[in-house]
Amino acid sequence: DSGVTQTPKHLITATGQRVTLRCSPRSGDLSVYWYQQSLDQGLQFLIQYYNGEERAKGNILERFSAQQFPDLHSELNLSSLELGDSALYFCASSIGGSYGEQYFGPGTRLTVT
Amino acid sequence: DAKTTQPNSMESNEEEPVHLPCNHSTISGTDYIHWYRQLPSQGPEYVIHGLTSNVNNRMASLAIAEDRKSSTLILHRATLRDAAVYYCILRDDGNSNSGYALNFGKGTSLLVTP
Repeated sequence: DSGVTQTPKHLITATGQRVTLRCSPRSGDLSVYWYQQSLDQGLQFLIQYYNGEERAKGNILERFSAQQFPDLHSELNLSSLELGDSALYFCASSIGGSYGEQYFGPGTRLTVT
Repeated sequence: DAKTTQPNSMESNEEEPVHLPCNHSTISGTDYIHWYRQLPSQGPEYVIHGLTSNVNNRMASLAIAEDRKSSTLILHRATLRDAAVYYCILRDDGNSNSGYALNFGKGTSLLVTP
């Protein structure tokens, strides 16, 4: 158990809908990272937040957005969903905004039908 | 970040050592070598990382070539639980402007047989 929690575990929704994925980092960790894992693209970095502020952006679509709240939990919002958004979404946390190991949650499996 | 090259798959017998290679010929001076693994149906898990010197921890050892163009992750006694995809990742930990995201490639799928 990494100490990172993600909810929900599974999510099934229809195209065009909007969903919110939630992540709680390990106690004391200030950084949260979001990654997407699909069969054709592998594991891709989406976005990082550090202590409430956006720190780095990866291959995140404009239809996707994220935020980190004062209690340090984070939410990833996916809107206008397409079939191709079906994937595993992982959240990771680390103690700071810099280097150091990242601890990954168990992931949320999103299925868009 | 510079690119890494790993074999697609490797096989090992249980209780034998495993050497997982990684080539990174374009590594820069501030790139650290990180290894993560992903067990089936789980999120990735940190294994080890290093810059120039060989590193050991409870999970594995990391051997880094003198010219840093390649490295090897060593599992001293493979168990069935070590069957996973192993990712070798370079990250510029000396550049605070780049953020500290991990750039996962395809990794090596390790099969461990009893």
